[in-house]
Amino acid sequence: DAGVTQSPTHLIKTRGQQVTLRCSPKSGHDTVSWYQQALGQGPQFIFQYYEEEERQRGNFPDRFSGHQFPNYSSELNVNALLLGDSALYLCASSFLHDDLGNTIYFGEGSWLTVV
Amino acid sequence: TQLLEQSPQFLSIQEGENLTVYCNSSSVFSSLQWYRQEPGEGPVLLVTVVTGGEVKKLKRLTFQFGDARKDSSLHITAAQPGDTGLYLCAGVRSNYQLIWGAGTKLIIKP
Repeated sequence: DAGVTQSPTHLIKTRGQQVTLRCSPKSGHDTVSWYQQALGQGPQFIFQYYEEEERQRGNFPDRFSGHQFPNYSSELNVNALLLGDSALYLCASSFLHDDLGNTIYFGEGSWLTVV
Repeated sequence: TQLLEQSPQFLSIQEGENLTVYCNSSSVFSSLQWYRQEPGEGPVLLVTVVTGGEVKKLKRLTFQFGDARKDSSLHITAAQPGDTGLYLCAGVRSNYQLIWGAGTKLIIKP
């Protein structure tokens, strides 16, 4: 039973470019959340997807967008990259109706460096 | 905006010592989680505390949820070098969003 898988693990982009990060949730999970973790800081919530729709969103600009596919996998897209977008991007997989959060699993993240 | 204040931000102690990490908020959460994160990896869930006053133990780690469900602590007894890592607390909102503390970087020296 595969856990949460993210790709790519590392990538380098130039300012102004666009990037797409991918996440496959744990088997049986229907909800995907994306977080940004800058070096030395705790993760910051970007947005959450359920049933192919964005359910909630954190305080991130519209340059950050996402998508969830029928198989529950998800993509995070960031346009017009800034140096400050350099961070570890984490995908969290969960089951929506688990109110206690006992089934939250994180992928190993995608390290994005913007130069 | 709900915030979780985590302290201390950095802690370096000798093997065998005890330590406590605190996580405080002015808001009530459905539950609170503690994670450990190794460099270059995603956070790994250690425990979820749900009920006010709840205490959970995981070997030498003791987790407590405050009576009002606004704060939590992690106590490590007889710390070992293998405990070194970044410890994060996260409050779980009813809509499943996690509100994170900034983390405590723990170093246990042999």
